Amino acid sequence: ELKVEQNPLFLSMQEGKNYTIYCNYSTTSDRLYWYRQDPGKSLESLFVLLSNGAVKQEGRLMASLDTKARLSTLHITAAVHDLSATYFCAVDDMEYGNKLVFGAGTILRVKS
Amino acid sequence: GAVVSQHPSWVICKSGTSVKIECRSLDFQATTMFWYRQFPKQSLMLMATSNEGSKATYEQGVEKDKFLINHASLTLSTLTVTSAHPEDSSFYICSASRQGRVYGYTFGSGTRLTVV
Repeated sequence: ELKVEQNPLFLSMQEGKNYTIYCNYSTTSDRLYWYRQDPGKSLESLFVLLSNGAVKQEGRLMASLDTKARLSTLHITAAVHDLSATYFCAVDDMEYGNKLVFGAGTILRVKS
Repeated sequence: GAVVSQHPSWVICKSGTSVKIECRSLDFQATTMFWYRQFPKQSLMLMATSNEGSKATYEQGVEKDKFLINHASLTLSTLTVTSAHPEDSSFYICSASRQGRVYGYTFGSGTRLTVV
């Protein structure tokens, strides 16, 4: 059974600082997703990572995937208050065929 | 592209009544739709997967008779919470995928259900 672990679960950081959220998964998969969720809202897609070594960047966020280590990272550069949200990684369960398994989520609070 | 519309956004109902939530793919044909439940400050929990024209596949621990899922067309899936109780209060989110995993998943806007 595919398990996805995210850490940290809660992150409080100052504006302007850098930090990384980690996402580990337990079995082979070739597709990993990062989502953002604001309070009371649904998920907003941030990145889809499709292959080993994939790196994608959008604004102050950069995501990478290492399929050999079964690890993805979401790096935040020079955080701003607007980045405050909950961030989820999710992995396609290849054994199941078409099913997402989510991490627990990281609550990010950026303090002014 | 790829928009999934979910209605209603929020609903309040009395205990014992049933509530239907709709999930529509507006600009693509959704071969598979997924229903999730999310409690406050928790992750999404997959409830069931439905393919058009087939019976839904429920995750372990999800009551089939309580959460009725219908996927009658390639653009519409519904979730009916039957005989709702306060413990069914939650945030329900649908998502849809197209033929071929290359397209990924598109999420609806979610439905906040409160049972009083």
